[in-house]
Amino acid sequence: SQKIEQNSEALNIQEGKTATLTCNYTNYSPAYLQWYRQDPGRGPVFLLLIRENEKEKRKERLKVTFDTTLKQSLFHITASQPADSATYLCALDGYGNNRLAFGKGNQVVVIP
Amino acid sequence: EAQVTQNPRYLITVTGKKLTVTCSQNMNHEYMSWYRQDPGLGLRQIYYSMNVEVTDKGDVPEGYKVSRKEKRNFPLILESPSPNQTSLYFCASKGGGGGSYNEQFFGPGTRLTVL
Repeated sequence: SQKIEQNSEALNIQEGKTATLTCNYTNYSPAYLQWYRQDPGRGPVFLLLIRENEKEKRKERLKVTFDTTLKQSLFHITASQPADSATYLCALDGYGNNRLAFGKGNQVVVIP
Repeated sequence: EAQVTQNPRYLITVTGKKLTVTCSQNMNHEYMSWYRQDPGLGLRQIYYSMNVEVTDKGDVPEGYKVSRKEKRNFPLILESPSPNQTSLYFCASKGGGGGSYNEQFFGPGTRLTVL
């Protein structure tokens, strides 16, 4: 069956360190993968998109990698700050017609 | 300001009483979608629309209806709400039409409780 897996346990990290989140998928062949940030009770906000032929994408302190062989994306927040505390969702083009399939999200808590 | 708006933001209702949640976007986007988000289940797509008068089922369409008569609006209709439809609902839109890789813009959410 199709699955998108993100760690259900919250990631607690010290301010200034790099947070790394994993998104694994099975039985999908996405053309791209996106990462969103969601704060409690609010709508997800788009962060980054990476295409299947791209290995890595960066935006300010964020970095995303995409390994279609491993069927995995890694999301890094460098020099993390308390304001980075949120839930991060990965989403992929799971159905070929631009419908997104979302992972359940991984919470990050940055400790001052 | 480019945005997706939803109304109401909070709604408590009773089983069987028809309700409509409105969604509007001011970005001239072709693609619009409804999701529900439940603890432990994540975001699940209910219905989506590729353009005016074009709608299709997502992963969990049972108990919901939608219509797309205008490009900017995509209301979600619950004809006979039941307690299992208690959830947090998000509307989203995306530009570029089918085949584009653009980001989705989400509304602020509607928290629905069905008693």
